Amino acid sequence: DADVTQTPRNRITKTGKRIMLECSQTKGHDRMYWYRQDPGLGLQLIYYSFDVKDINKGEISDGYSVSRQAQAKFSLSLESAIPNQTALYFCATSDPTEETQYFGPGTRLLVL
Amino acid sequence: GQNIDQPTEMTATEGAIVQINCTYQTSGFNGLFWYQQHAGEAPTFLSYNVLDGLEEKGRFSSFLSRSKGYSYLLLKELQMKDSASYLCAVRDLKGAGSYQLTFGKGTKLSVIP
Repeated sequence: DADVTQTPRNRITKTGKRIMLECSQTKGHDRMYWYRQDPGLGLQLIYYSFDVKDINKGEISDGYSVSRQAQAKFSLSLESAIPNQTALYFCATSDPTEETQYFGPGTRLLVL
Repeated sequence: GQNIDQPTEMTATEGAIVQINCTYQTSGFNGLFWYQQHAGEAPTFLSYNVLDGLEEKGRFSSFLSRSKGYSYLLLKELQMKDSASYLCAVRDLKGAGSYQLTFGKGTKLSVIP
């Protein structure tokens, strides 16, 4: 079973709709992250959380919100989706004692 | 903030050696990572450097020079399956025990027969 899972894997929605992307992990890591990836722009950090009570904005947080429901769950919401939020979204986890982040399989989002 | 530069695309021949460079500017350097990402898939960890020098791991090696803000990833005996994007990422110390990882835009490597 995958250590980091994301649901849904693909989603098509319309402008103005609210949408939630979910991330779950079984690695027992405290730290979780949400990134978006656009062609030619690389991975950009949206939000990150170092524990359940700690939420921080990344470099492109406008238009997004997050919820850390438990150590294992970190959700990303688009309150009112717009077409330029069409992208591939990745969740990742890390442990402070480890040297890497572990990524989920990604959610491909299309906003019409 | 950080500025991470790497070439956009590279092409190399199967069986050859290729070097992918990465330069960075950061105020609180605390490690440099290389990730491999196949199209449409998640990035996967390749290597980590925090001290100057070369780290070798099978066909892949990564080098770091902190004074020059420079790293490279060396891929030997290229295989077709090595066709992917290679992401350079720099970890930056933000505060007491707090780090942030910033990714470059990635280098798309195409391996040709």
